[in-house]
Amino acid sequence: SQELEQSPQSLIVQEGKNLTINCTSSKTLYGLYWYKQKYGEGLIFLMMLQKGGEEKSHEKITAKLDEKKQQSSLHITASQPSHAGIYLCGADNRGNTPLVFGKGTRLSVIA
Amino acid sequence: EAGVAQSPRYKIIEKRQSVAFWCNPISGHATLYWYQQILGQGPKLLIQFQNNGVVDDSQLPKDRFSAERLKGVDSTLKIQPAKLEDSAVYLCASSSGGGAGGHGTQYFGPGTRLLVL
Repeated sequence: SQELEQSPQSLIVQEGKNLTINCTSSKTLYGLYWYKQKYGEGLIFLMMLQKGGEEKSHEKITAKLDEKKQQSSLHITASQPSHAGIYLCGADNRGNTPLVFGKGTRLSVIA
Repeated sequence: EAGVAQSPRYKIIEKRQSVAFWCNPISGHATLYWYQQILGQGPKLLIQFQNNGVVDDSQLPKDRFSAERLKGVDSTLKIQPAKLEDSAVYLCASSSGGGAGGHGTQYFGPGTRLLVL
């Protein structure tokens, strides 16, 4: 079965700093989803990547899927307190199987 | 457009009691999912419906968990009897199906936080 490993598990950054979160899959990815979750709330969809080398951006968040489609990175530029939360990657490896999620990366942004 | 609705938001029960959660997906979404998220873990799929039929329930503990989606819209997830290890957040998600990835993007509700004492 497919497994996703996220790194780091947790991250504390100073406001204004850049950061990167990684998601590595044990199998080739058909689709890779990034979600954000705040404590006590559901998952908020950020981006979906499907093609090797694909890169998408939304506001100050950029996600990329590597050419071999086994790793994705999420980069936040000039972090703000509003970026704090848990970032989860979810994988779809055959298009007809349920999403498998990583354990998440907990991000804290301090002033 | 209204998002995925879930209720209740919080529930505290004693072990061996029963509990039910309700989910109303985004209008027009044919696919509905129930996930269990234990503290510190990513969500784990319990059951997936396509309209009112079950697509995947391989990870649903069927001796105590049951779910239905009558009329292909709302869904309920029931636990009977509950165990201590069922303490988790239960997330409902829906998607229009098809498109990239086969499912289409899944949109999640706020979840129901269950504590079993």
